[in-house]
Amino acid sequence: SQQGEEDPQALSIQEGENATMNCSYKTSINNLQWYRQNSGRGLVHLILIRSNEREKHSGRLRVTLDTSKKSSSLLITASRAADTASYFCAIHNTNAGKSTFGDGTTLTVKP
Amino acid sequence: GAVVSQHPSRVICKSGTSVKIECRSLDFQATTMFWYRQFPKQSLMLMATSNEGSKATYEQGVEKDKFLINHASLTLSTLTVTSAHPEDSSFYICSAKGQGEEGYTFGSGTRLTVV
Repeated sequence: SQQGEEDPQALSIQEGENATMNCSYKTSINNLQWYRQNSGRGLVHLILIRSNEREKHSGRLRVTLDTSKKSSSLLITASRAADTASYFCAIHNTNAGKSTFGDGTTLTVKP
Repeated sequence: GAVVSQHPSRVICKSGTSVKIECRSLDFQATTMFWYRQFPKQSLMLMATSNEGSKATYEQGVEKDKFLINHASLTLSTLTVTSAHPEDSSFYICSAKGQGEEGYTFGSGTRLTVV
């Protein structure tokens, strides 16, 4: 299956702590993207990392990609209560022409 | 940045009726649009991929006669849930990709409730 698998399924931390979520996949990819979804809302694109990249930063977000292990991680530093949401990875294969989503990690940041 | 408008955001309909959901790319031409379905606390399940001017490609297990997709222009795709039943109640989300773009832009989703 191309579908990404994320862990943990749920993560609860205190404000100010760092949150790390992982995504593993099985097929080759062209890029991997991370999205955020607040309850009952659409998805917001956070960051895209290409298959030839190993790490990308965007503000408090840091994404790594290890294509040899077929895994990616999303690190949110100095978390805030407003970071509470579900986070999904999506793997994209150009030949397939579509993205496939992982099961998501539900992050709760307690104030 | 790229914006995708999806509406309605919420719709309640009676069993047996049909519901149309629209997905528009506002500031770019979307050569490809995708329709997803999401059950509560679950991931997004790709239903179909639509390319402008051609028939949609449905994922395995998705009934094409029940979920009609039309992508008549480079900025508009519609999903029609025909003869809706309570089990069709779900959150439907579209996304669009511009030519040459790597990333996808998502609509805000439609909460469908069939009573």
